[in-house]
Amino acid sequence: DTAVSQTPKYLVTQMGNDKSIKCEQNLGHDTMYWYKQDSKKFLKIMFSYNNKELIINETVPNRFSPKSPDKAHLNLHINSLELGDSAVYFCASSQTATNEKLFFGSGTQLSVL
Amino acid sequence: AQSVTQLDSHVSVSEGTPVLLRCNYSSSYSPSLFWYVQHPNKGLQLLLKYTSAATLVKGINGFEAEFKKSETSFHLTKPSAHMSDAAEYFCVVRINTGGFKTIFGAGTRLFVKA
Repeated sequence: DTAVSQTPKYLVTQMGNDKSIKCEQNLGHDTMYWYKQDSKKFLKIMFSYNNKELIINETVPNRFSPKSPDKAHLNLHINSLELGDSAVYFCASSQTATNEKLFFGSGTQLSVL
Repeated sequence: AQSVTQLDSHVSVSEGTPVLLRCNYSSSYSPSLFWYVQHPNKGLQLLLKYTSAATLVKGINGFEAEFKKSETSFHLTKPSAHMSDAAEYFCVVRINTGGFKTIFGAGTRLFVKA
């Protein structure tokens, strides 16, 4: 069973569209994250939720809105997509907010045309 | 300011030869240090971590890293490279500044030649 799963794996869309990426973890972890990996492989945290509450919100445009319906899910909704949003988005989880080991999903490659 | 520098963007070795991936960090706080590996089209996987116990840390797949505070380094090594080691490797620093902050290095791509 996949520990952290995110869908879709690939997402190709036009500028201006709204899209969502879903993430689920079956590890019973309290904390979930969204990371963005750019074309140079640089990883940067976007958001973190602990027990459905937002605890980290880095400098990310308001067009990005995370939603956590329960602690096993953290979805990422993106409005009015722009070319610069093209990247690989990784979902991750950790047992607690202070636990250091991250478990990553396999990534969603977003291409905005 | 806190930062992580991976000194090589690419490293190429022959199968069976040693691997050295270099990482230096800058932090005003006592850091926890990690190495993650990312295989193509996969998420990152933890290789090993240092959290203020033994300075020589052993990880999975024969990798190890040594924390050297005087040099602010945490280089990753493996005695003998295998083809399956070809991947992207990330050095990561985690610090507690009142809240935890995780900083990823830019990554080092390891190529292994037959």
